[in-house]
Amino acid sequence: AQSVTQLDSHVSVSEGTPVLLRCNYSSSYSPSLFWYVQHPNKGLQLLLKYTSAATLVKGINGFEAEFKKSETSFHLTKPSAHMSDAAEYFCVVSDLDNDMRFGAGTRLTVKP
Amino acid sequence: DAGVIQSPRHEVTEMGQEVTLRCKPISGHDYLFWYRQTMMRGLELLIYFNNNVPIDDSGMPEDRFSAKMPNASFSTLKIQPSEPRDSAVYFCASSLAGAGMDEQFFGPGTRLTVL
Repeated sequence: AQSVTQLDSHVSVSEGTPVLLRCNYSSSYSPSLFWYVQHPNKGLQLLLKYTSAATLVKGINGFEAEFKKSETSFHLTKPSAHMSDAAEYFCVVSDLDNDMRFGAGTRLTVKP
Repeated sequence: DAGVIQSPRHEVTEMGQEVTLRCKPISGHDYLFWYRQTMMRGLELLIYFNNNVPIDDSGMPEDRFSAKMPNASFSTLKIQPSEPRDSAVYFCASSLAGAGMDEQFFGPGTRLTVL
């Protein structure tokens, strides 16, 4: 069975500085990996996904993530944080159709 | 398309009452998912449907929970009787293909409070 661990429950950065949200996974198969974002009182929105194509995945709003099989990681990055990036971020792994596992979430705070 | 629609957005009820949450998926999506989000347990998949048929309900916490999908454009999640520990945000999501293969589109959620 697959599982996912988000290493930080809360990350705080200053506006204009880089963002790094860490995610490690375990999977018995070749996984699909996703990052979702949840703004306050809103549903989840897909940022990006990896499905065994290019290991560096570019998503919306300037976010990207790199799949590293040797490290079983799928960290989310952005070169420069914006105030509107403040939200909860979820890393998700799926290695069998329709069986998805969500991480506990990382709350990103962006300081002016 | 308006996206996944859920109603009500907020529900406050008393312990023992029946609660019904509603979801309208995106037109043309074959899969519909119900999730529950709590601080303690995070996001949990409760049940999902494919072409209106329940495929996996192993995430449903207990017999007090039931879900139906009478047609391609409507699903309900019912809790009877409700208990305070059911307080959570319930999300509905839909997708074209299986969850591991395609993006899921989430509704805004229903915040349930059971007193």
